[in-house]
Amino acid sequence: QQQVKQSPQSLIVQKGGISIINCAYENTAFDYFPWYQQFPGKGPALLIAIRPDVSEKKEGRFTISFNKSAKQFSLHIMDSQPGDSATYFCAADSGGYNKLIFGAGTRLAVHP
Amino acid sequence: ETGVTQTPRHLVMGMTNKKSLKCEQHLGHNAMYWYKQSAKKPLELMFVYNFKEQTENNSVPSRFSPECPNSSHLFLHLHTLQPEDSALYLCASSQGTGGTDGYTFGSGTRLTVV
Repeated sequence: QQQVKQSPQSLIVQKGGISIINCAYENTAFDYFPWYQQFPGKGPALLIAIRPDVSEKKEGRFTISFNKSAKQFSLHIMDSQPGDSATYFCAADSGGYNKLIFGAGTRLAVHP
Repeated sequence: ETGVTQTPRHLVMGMTNKKSLKCEQHLGHNAMYWYKQSAKKPLELMFVYNFKEQTENNSVPSRFSPECPNSSHLFLHLHTLQPEDSALYLCASSQGTGGTDGYTFGSGTRLTVV
């Protein structure tokens, strides 16, 4: 119940295309869903986050879509650029659990 | 610079060695974490410290021993490790222990056990 399932494991997108990464969870107590971005040789860094009271959050080219009934959320990267090539992790947190549960990560490669 | 510094960046150790990983944060955060990152697996939470007190030990084998002398420093002492312990060990900090505070990660220590 504490798992967050992430797919795909890897993704190749052409420059200018849309990258979509999906995550699913079981625990309905989760109430905060961040995405982290990790470049090679670096630790993960917070990219964007959403709470379940909204269905979508957009920051620049990055959008989180949230489907509470399906217990799924996804990251969309519009106009993908080679500089977006990184590993992306979804995560979930519940106030009572007080820690982040991470997905397995998606390695994104954006080709020029 | 992320504000969380980990040393060393790379470490190779034998199974009978004793070594320590160090983490230092300059962000004034109250909570610090150790995570293990293995290929194709989720980040695994190992330990949580809040105001220097350990609040979480996620069933980590005793060959990993954490130490938090103050809110700015966190150590992970290693002894008699196994090859399967080879991984990237990440330190993180946050203002509080809730995930909503946003974690700041260090760049990690790449550990290889031979």
